[in-house]
Amino acid sequence: QMQLQESGPGLVKTSETLSLTCTVSGGSISSYYWSWIRQPAGKGLEWIGRIYSSGSTNYNPSLKSRVTMSVDTSKNQFSLKLSSVTAADTAVYYCARYGDYAVEYWGQGTLVTVSS
Amino acid sequence: DIQMTQSPSSLSASVGDRVTITCRASQSIGSYLNWYQQKPGKAPKLLIYAASSLQGGVPSRFSGSESGTDFTLTISSLQPEDFATYYCQQSYSTPLTFGGGTKVEIK
Repeated sequence: QMQLQESGPGLVKTSETLSLTCTVSGGSISSYYWSWIRQPAGKGLEWIGRIYSSGSTNYNPSLKSRVTMSVDTSKNQFSLKLSSVTAADTAVYYCARYGDYAVEYWGQGTLVTVSS
Repeated sequence: DIQMTQSPSSLSASVGDRVTITCRASQSIGSYLNWYQQKPGKAPKLLIYAASSLQGGVPSRFSGSESGTDFTLTISSLQPEDFATYYCQQSYSTPLTFGGGTKVEIK
């Protein structure tokens, strides 16, 4: 059974860089798209972007200037960096695997709070 | 970006009711529409993909349909475990976008 687990600091200072890693178990990271999706408290879902196992990326234009995603196939991990964070970036961040049509597997989510 | 407009934003229903949630895309997206269920404190769960295909393990009371740029999620007989928030999502083009959500509450 595939499992995804987010890890990283739960508190990030304003203007600094948010860094999260997703560890994939129960399957290979190869040959799939891997996404980051976030959800502010009480609000809807926002797609941040995706990375293919080869390293090619697509980012949400609304965040593109601040987002970097990377993949480490040897560790079965992929990562998110979001720079110059503000309070508006406070959210639960999910890592997820995109199948042929939709997001099939999700991590449990990790709350990241941005505060000065 | 493709805008996904969901309606209603919330509804109250009783166990056994038939519930319908609608999602409208701002442009043609073919059948590239997915539905997710999210319970408080949990990650979303895929219910329907490609507009009308039931994800494995999802009860058959859930169904999806499409008409042009309008998509519908139907729960034929609402069960206690179905009280949750439902989201549509288009996978036609990036950025992938979600509807605003529909919260299904107990009447």
